[in-house]
Amino acid sequence: GQQVMQIPQYQHVQEGEDFTTYCNSSTTLSNIQWYKQRPGGHPVFLIQLVKSGEVKKQKRLTFQFGEAKKNSSLHITATQTTDVGTYFCAGSAGTASKLTFGTGTRLQVTL
Amino acid sequence: NAGVTQTPKFQVLKTGQSMTLQCAQDMNHNSMYWYRQDPGMGLRLIYYSASEGTTDKGEVPNGYNVSRLNKREFSLRLESAAPSQTSVYFCASSGTHSGANVLTFGAGSRLTVL
Repeated sequence: GQQVMQIPQYQHVQEGEDFTTYCNSSTTLSNIQWYKQRPGGHPVFLIQLVKSGEVKKQKRLTFQFGEAKKNSSLHITATQTTDVGTYFCAGSAGTASKLTFGTGTRLQVTL
Repeated sequence: NAGVTQTPKFQVLKTGQSMTLQCAQDMNHNSMYWYRQDPGMGLRLIYYSASEGTTDKGEVPNGYNVSRLNKREFSLRLESAAPSQTSVYFCASSGTHSGANVLTFGAGSRLTVL
């Protein structure tokens, strides 16, 4: 079945440093979504990428979808303590009913 | 504007006991889902319901049953709980947001099986 892996599993940065998490799928995806889960909370939708090579930005967050539509990345510029949480990618090879989540990257930010 | 509501938030069971996790959404979404979250494993789909009256197995359905009671409600039942089912369970529903079919999650139910 479809597998989605994320690296790193955990990253600890100083506030102001950049952060990147990478997502790799075993199969070609039709779209990829990113979610953020704050500690003790539930996943919250951030963005969806659909096109090959697509890049989208949300303030300090930059999302990319690979040319082959099998990988994606999330880059945070100048992290803040409010960025703390676990970031999940979730890929679909067809319908949203088959959305497969990655293993997640937990980000810790300290002053 | 509740979104997705799950009950209970916490539950402790003994091995072999049964229980039902309840989920309701007020967003008029057709599709609903149950995920479990374990450390290092991400979110794994247990069952989903694409529309009222239909249910399908996800990645890890063994040991669970579901009921789509109506368009709003989707329950998850553990008939005979096992320690391997200790996890955080999330219910979600999906609807369109800026052209994307987006999952909205409930707050989660933390289940411990002793």
